Amino acid sequence: KAGVTQTPRYLIKTRGQQVTLSCSPISGHRSVSWYQQTPGQGLQFLFEYFSETQRNKGNFPGRFSGRQFSNSRSEMNVSTLELGDSALYLCASSFLGANYGYTFGSGTRLTVV
Amino acid sequence: DQQVKQNSPSLSVQEGRISILNCDYTNSMFDYFLWYKKYPAEGPTFLISISSIKDKNEDGRFTVFLNKSAKHLSLHIVPSQPGDSAVYFCAASAYDSNYQLIWGAGTKLIIKP
Repeated sequence: KAGVTQTPRYLIKTRGQQVTLSCSPISGHRSVSWYQQTPGQGLQFLFEYFSETQRNKGNFPGRFSGRQFSNSRSEMNVSTLELGDSALYLCASSFLGANYGYTFGSGTRLTVV
Repeated sequence: DQQVKQNSPSLSVQEGRISILNCDYTNSMFDYFLWYKKYPAEGPTFLISISSIKDKNEDGRFTVFLNKSAKHLSLHIVPSQPGDSAVYFCAASAYDSNYQLIWGAGTKLIIKP
């Protein structure tokens, strides 16, 4: 079966712009979570969506938002980009939630210049 | 406040020997622990997990040990193989935080031939 698909793989944006990242989970998975990974840091949790509802939220500013559609596909949006937002953004899906083992996508590498 | 700590940024082990990766945590409410492996340019891959009601869980070459009194867990890989060279992340979750995963910063494991 197809894995978790994230698009685009690479993105370069200018400070102040906004960006939308997309994630298609494994078919049948209802939980989608987003993480930010920066060099030397572990994965920082952004938010989790389950059946179109935000179930969990990390400690990121309101510039970071997300949504999930009825087909479980999810998007993450970052507005007013800052240089510090440059990171690898990972999406993970699971049938029920984190404790049941995520399947991660390969990530979107965002560079803000 | 880092609730999950992987104090060794890297570890080098001879092929065929045992690799031991360590993880410490501070939150006594954590009741589920997971290990993930990550290759460059790929998302993390779920390896093995353990519930707080157990002190050991085995899956093939991988064994996770949990010492609740010391708030410490470790991942043992026996025997170590070249393909095990990757970054290993420890993660923990708690019921009272809706099972949001808290991640360590990762340990880079290098298996020497």
